[in-house]
Amino acid sequence: AQSVTQPDIHITVSEGASLELRCNYSYGATPYLFWYVQSPGQGLQLLLKYFSGDTLVQGIKGFEAEFKRSQSSFNLRKPSVHWSDAAEYFCAVGEGNAGKSTFGDGTTLTVKP
Amino acid sequence: DSGVTQTPKHLITATGQRVTLRCSPRSGDLSVYWYQQSLDQGLQFLIQYYNGEERAKGNILERFSAQQFPDLHSELNLSSLELGDSALYFCASRRTSNTGELFFGEGSRLTVL
Repeated sequence: AQSVTQPDIHITVSEGASLELRCNYSYGATPYLFWYVQSPGQGLQLLLKYFSGDTLVQGIKGFEAEFKRSQSSFNLRKPSVHWSDAAEYFCAVGEGNAGKSTFGDGTTLTVKP
Repeated sequence: DSGVTQTPKHLITATGQRVTLRCSPRSGDLSVYWYQQSLDQGLQFLIQYYNGEERAKGNILERFSAQQFPDLHSELNLSSLELGDSALYFCASRRTSNTGELFFGEGSRLTVL
């Protein structure tokens, strides 16, 4: 069965500092990997996705993620965090052909001024 | 705006009662997914429908049921409610493709007193 682990429950960074959120997955086939963001009172919004090809993928809001098959990881990064990035971030692995997605438990990001 | 509409946004009810949550997917999306988000369980997949038929089942209780109608909207029925059913219930939709990302509604927050 597929699974996703986000080791960090809560991360605090200063505004302008770099950010890396960790994600490890378990999936038997080639994974479809996603990062979503959830702001308070909102639904989840897709930041970026990986299916194949270039292992470094660019997303919205200046985020990027790198797929490393050897480490079963898909870590999310941003060079300079803005106060508006404070939210909860979810990594997910999805089944192709319109199958379900399995989510990690999320990482809550706090941004210090 | 993801294009996925969920009603009601908030619902307060008592133990033992029954409620119905409604979801309208994005125009053209055939797949609908229901997820439950609670503090202690994270984001849990409940059930998926594709073009009116049940496609996959996750951790859905027997007290819960869902259906997808010919116009592709979906309803999640929760009965004999317990305090532990209090959660945020998300609906998401996806087209039939290998792109895989889900588009989430803003959720229905259920409080059982």
